[in-house]
Formats: sequence, C-alpha cells, structure tokens
Amino acid sequence: NAGVTQTPKFQVLKTGQSMTLQCAQDMNHNSMYWYRQDPGMGLRLIYYSASEGTTDKGEVPNGYNVSRLNKREFSLRLESAAPSQTSVYFCASNRVSHTEAFFGQGTRLTVV
Amino acid sequence: TQLLEQSPQFLSIQEGENLTVYCNSSSVFSSLQWYRQEPGEGPVLLVTVVTGGEVKKLKRLTFQFGDARKDSSLHITAAQTGDTGLYLCAVNYNQGGKLIFGQGTELSVKP
Repeated sequence: NAGVTQTPKFQVLKTGQSMTLQCAQDMNHNSMYWYRQDPGMGLRLIYYSASEGTTDKGEVPNGYNVSRLNKREFSLRLESAAPSQTSVYFCASNRVSHTEAFFGQGTRLTVV
Repeated sequence: TQLLEQSPQFLSIQEGENLTVYCNSSSVFSSLQWYRQEPGEGPVLLVTVVTGGEVKKLKRLTFQFGDARKDSSLHITAAQTGDTGLYLCAVNYNQGGKLIFGQGTELSVKP
C-alpha cells in the first residue's frame, strides 16, 4: 500500500526556474494538502483541496499554484523559483478535513 | 500571528525524565490532533481529542484537551530515546478544510 507518493525527493533549482512537484494518493481520500516546512516554523499550509475540482489558499500561497488533476493527484507549481522557497515540501491527504492526515516522504527543494 | 502556539519550542532531557508540551490558542476547536515527526519522514498521527476535558493515553503518552477546547497538552512519562522527534499539534480551522499546524516542539531525549 503506497499511501501518499511525492516526486521528486530532491531538487535543486536556479533562481527564476520553474518546476512542478507531483503528489498522488491511493487511499481514495477527498482532501489533499501542500505544506512547506522550515526550521522552527512547523508545517505551514500553502494550498489545499477539499475535494476534486476545488482548491483554496492556505497560510503562505504567494509564489505557488496548484492543480487538483483528479481525485488521486494534486500538484504544486513554482512558476519562478526564489531562494526564499528553499524548503522541505510535504503533500498530505485525508478522507475529510478533521480525520487523520497521511503524509508523503517530502521533497527537499533548494533554490540557488 | 500563529493560530496554534506550541511551547516549549525545544526540549532536551535525560532518559527517564517526565515532560509536558503545550498547544495553545485563543480559538475554540471541535477537535485537535497530535502528530509526531521523525527526521526525514512525514508526520504520523498519534491521537485525536474531541471532547472538552478529554484525556487519552497512548502507553507513556497522555493527551488532554482543555475544558474550553482552546488548548491541549501532551505529557510523556519516563521518556525514552525513542521518543525523540518533533511533536506537532493540528486543527481543522474554520471547518473549511484547512488543516493548520503549530510550529512544533522539538524533543531530544539523551541516554
């Protein structure tokens, strides 16, 4: 049982480059989330999707876009990467918003 | 301003000691979750508390939800090195699907 799968696991970008982080879950969950984690900051919500076809901003959405491609997949796009976006990114999903969230292994992104 | 304030931010103790970490807010929540994260991994759910005043136990870990459902605590009895990790509280904010986390308490238990 794969759970939540994120790709890639590591990425180095140059300032101004774009990239898409991919996330897929096989648990038939309705809600999916993208977080970033920086030292001492816990997990900060970037965007979330309460159900297929809907997305909404979280706490730190600037510089990011998302696509809920279908029920399984939720991608995060950086259009023009900046050094401030260097972070570890986690995708998560749950059945509905107040139930247990399951996380991927994370993507460690460095922008130079 | 953080929705959830966790304290302390860092805690370093010896094996066998007891400790308590706190998760506080000025908002009322219908439920609150505690997660634990190990280095290089995503967080994993420990417990969900729902009722004001509720106490849940998970082996040596005791979780309590405040009577007013604005705060929670996690108490660890006789800490072990395997308890080392980042402890995070989380809530479903505004019933709109936003799962919001506190900034975490980084616990280090030394042998």
